Amino acid sequence: SQTIHQWPATLVQPVGSPLSLECTVEGTSNPNLYWYRQAAGRGLQLLFYSVGIGQISSEVPQNLSASRPQDRQFILSSKKLLLSDSGFYLCAWSHVTGQGRGDTIYFGEGSWLTVV
Amino acid sequence: AQSVAQPEDQVNVAEGNPLTVKCTYSVSGNPYLFWYVQYPNRGLQFLLKYITGDNLVKGSYGFEAEFNKSQTSFHLKKPSALVSDSALYFCAVRDPYSGAGSYQLTFGKGTKLSVIP
Repeated sequence: SQTIHQWPATLVQPVGSPLSLECTVEGTSNPNLYWYRQAAGRGLQLLFYSVGIGQISSEVPQNLSASRPQDRQFILSSKKLLLSDSGFYLCAWSHVTGQGRGDTIYFGEGSWLTVV
Repeated sequence: AQSVAQPEDQVNVAEGNPLTVKCTYSVSGNPYLFWYVQYPNRGLQFLLKYITGDNLVKGSYGFEAEFNKSQTSFHLKKPSALVSDSALYFCAVRDPYSGAGSYQLTFGKGTKLSVIP
C-alpha cells in the first residue's frame, strides 16, 4: 500500500528565515505530487503540483518555491519567510490511472508553520 | 472555471439521527466530485468520489453521497450519525475539461459537523 510522509510536523520560524518542508511517498512510482496550504482551519489553496522529476507548476505567485529532486520526493522552500506564510501545509499525491482526472488525491498529515 | 460551494459553515445533528452535508458545484462539463474529512490538526482523509455511473456513491465509514446533475449537487449523507463523525468535511470538484496539465481539485470552504451525544 502507498504511504505519504511529511515533516516536520510543527515548525516555528522567525521572519526572514529560510524554510524547508519535505514530503516523500512510498509504495508507488511516478506519482503526481502537490503542496496545499490551509489557512484558518478551512479553505485549501493549491500552491504547487508536479507531474514528474524537475517539473513544477505554480498556481499562486509568492515567495515559496517547490522542487522535486527525486521521483517520490517533494520539497517546499522559502528563502525568507513572511508572517503571512504561517499556516498548515499539506503534501499530497495522486496515482495516474486510467481514470485520468478522476484520480483521487491523498494527503499527508500536514505541517504547522508559525512565523514569528 | 470550476467552483464548489458548501452553504453551511456548521451542521449540528444528534447522535443516531441521519446527517446531510450539502455541496453544490459548477463546472463546464461532467464533473469529478470528491468528499474528504479532516479531524483536528490532521490531514484530509478521502471518503468517496463520483466519476461516472450510479448516482449514489458509497464510501468509507458508512458515508454515501448522491450526485444530482440537474441540481448540480453532491450532498454527503449518513443514515445514523456517530459522535466520532464530528469533524470538518470538504467537498471538492475537478473539471475534466480544465486545461491540459491542470490536475487540481477545487475545494469548498468546509462544513464543520458536530454530532451531539
